[in-house]
Amino acid sequence: DAGVIQSPRHEVTEMGQEVTLRCKPISGHDYLFWYRQTMMRGLELLIYFNNNVPIDDSGMPEDRFSAKMPNASFSTLKIQPSEPRDSAVYFCASSFWQPTRNTEAFFGQGTRLTVV
Amino acid sequence: SQQGEEDPQALSIQEGENATMNCSYKTSINNLQWYRQNSGRGLVHLILIRSNEREKHSGRLRVTLDTSKKSSSLLITASRAADTASYFCAAFSGGSNYKLTFGKGTLLTVNP
Repeated sequence: DAGVIQSPRHEVTEMGQEVTLRCKPISGHDYLFWYRQTMMRGLELLIYFNNNVPIDDSGMPEDRFSAKMPNASFSTLKIQPSEPRDSAVYFCASSFWQPTRNTEAFFGQGTRLTVV
Repeated sequence: SQQGEEDPQALSIQEGENATMNCSYKTSINNLQWYRQNSGRGLVHLILIRSNEREKHSGRLRVTLDTSKKSSSLLITASRAADTASYFCAAFSGGSNYKLTFGKGTLLTVNP
């Protein structure tokens, strides 16, 4: 498997524009996580899904942020409208969990978002 | 899951020395996981220790877990410049709610 794939790797956009980040998890994984990382706040969990269903979106900072997982192989994180303070590196991670088996999370390479 | 808190925030050592990082958590856990992040990259899983284990080894890594103190430590022996990275822990409480959160990490710098 190629691992967790995120696109784009870099995104520069103007304030007010819509931004869509994409993630393809590892095949067979049933958990998908979206994180945001900044120097000030560290690595924040924004939202995570189990079997394509959002389980906890309490980390989503504002209504401008939304995430979807239409199927097991694709997820998006959308920011509309974007603001300069949204500038950060956004990571997607996936994992597989069973009661009798502990597994680790696999991370994508991240999308570096700059809003000017 | 619950967030682990790493300590110290930063650590600078010379190549060949050992590096020890600590993690504390607040409630009972099913397992504790350590991750590494090189600058600008995603986190990479290093090692997982279950609540019924006290110590685990993987190459130059040694992880200990003290559930009575709700703490874990990660020891990197004979450090190399390539070990320079940030290290994070995540404490997993168990159950079907696999919420994985991290602390701010320990930034390890190994000087050649």
